[in-house]
Amino acid sequence: EVQLVESGGGLVQPGRSMKLSCAASGFTFSNYGMAWVRQAPTKGLEWVATISYDGSSTYYRDSVKGRFTISRDNAKSTLYLQMNSLRSEDTATYYCTGRAPDWGQGVMVTVSS
Amino acid sequence: DIQMTQSPASLSASPEEIVTITCQASQDIGNWLAWYQQKPGKSPQLLIYSATSLADGIPSRFSGSRSGTQYSLKISRLQVEDTGIYYCLQRYSNPWTFGGGTKLELK
Repeated sequence: EVQLVESGGGLVQPGRSMKLSCAASGFTFSNYGMAWVRQAPTKGLEWVATISYDGSSTYYRDSVKGRFTISRDNAKSTLYLQMNSLRSEDTATYYCTGRAPDWGQGVMVTVSS
Repeated sequence: DIQMTQSPASLSASPEEIVTITCQASQDIGNWLAWYQQKPGKSPQLLIYSATSLADGIPSRFSGSRSGTQYSLKISRLQVEDTGIYYCLQRYSNPWTFGGGTKLELK
């Protein structure tokens, strides 16, 4: 059974940092590009960042470029999202996904003082 | 960036009715189009991938089609459990882009 389990969310003050993790199992993680998608409360889905299967290529939405870093550890089958200089508008549930059917349960990030 | 224009934004229909949701891509995305259903507090669930292929475990009353850069999701014989928000997603190029969503309610 494929599982994607996110962790690391919570409440953080504006300007601070937070790192999300996504532990994958049930498929060959190192074969697939992965992504983070977020959803602000009562809003639609919004792509955040993508990383290639080997980590050599990364892509970010404009609003997080220079603040967020997507990375992966294929030996640990884990995806990461390092979020720096957090803003209130980053408040959302963050999902990791790779293959089209596979989504994590989501982790909530609240940026507030 | 590729824009995905989804319509309608909301829809109310009766059980057993047929409903259609569309997404218009701003440029060619081939068949790199997926449809998801999301229920409150849950992760999105894949319904259709590659524009027309039914995902595993999804009832056959869901179907996807493509005409040029317009993509459609049809739900035949609507059931109560089909309520939720539906999104299209293009993964043809970065940035991935979602449609704005269609909220489906049953009368």
